[in-house]
Amino acid sequence: EPEVTQTPSHQVTQMGQEVILRCVPISNHLYFYWYRQILGQKVEFLVSFYNNEISEKSEIFDDQFSVERPDGSNFTLKIRSTKLEDSAMYFCASSAGERGNEQFFGPGTRLTVL
Amino acid sequence: GDSVTQMEGPVTLSEEAFLTINCTYTATGYPSLFWYVQYPGEGLQLLLKATKADDKGSNKGFEATYRKETTSFHLEKGSVQVSDSAVYFCALSGRRGGSEKLVFGKGTKLTVNP
Repeated sequence: EPEVTQTPSHQVTQMGQEVILRCVPISNHLYFYWYRQILGQKVEFLVSFYNNEISEKSEIFDDQFSVERPDGSNFTLKIRSTKLEDSAMYFCASSAGERGNEQFFGPGTRLTVL
Repeated sequence: GDSVTQMEGPVTLSEEAFLTINCTYTATGYPSLFWYVQYPGEGLQLLLKATKADDKGSNKGFEATYRKETTSFHLEKGSVQVSDSAVYFCALSGRRGGSEKLVFGKGTKLTVNP
């Protein structure tokens, strides 16, 4: 069964460093998403991406964040200068795009900013 | 904005007990409603969904009915098993310019004891 994969599973970084979180969505999917979950809190939407551009983003997704689909298979989330409060589990998801379609989630990347 | 409120956990039940996890929502328009489940160490998996009023989603013995009049989507299972121990998230999505971001509740941790 096709699945969304994410790497790395755990990333530890120093405050102020850049990190890139990687995702490989399901191959025939058209919509891609990043969410995050701070420990003990709810899963929050960050950004959606379709047709090589951002279709919607939340207020969390400020200028420090960017997304890219560099090669038609990977989907990346970059945080330019990490802050302590960026520590969270980051989930990538993809969907075929029809209304009400299931979003398939990856296992997540745990980001720890020291 | 759109929001989801679900029953605070944790919930602890004995095997074969009846489960209800309450979920209510606030949204403009006609959202699709979902229950996602997160098993320990794994990503989010879709459990069931409903895309219009009075629809009933069901899977693995779990059910939830889209009630527009009470803006609710309560999750039920008649007889839980130890393997149902997980965190359950109620979520909604509404299309905005092609994106269908998910808005999640805080999650309810269920533990089922033998």
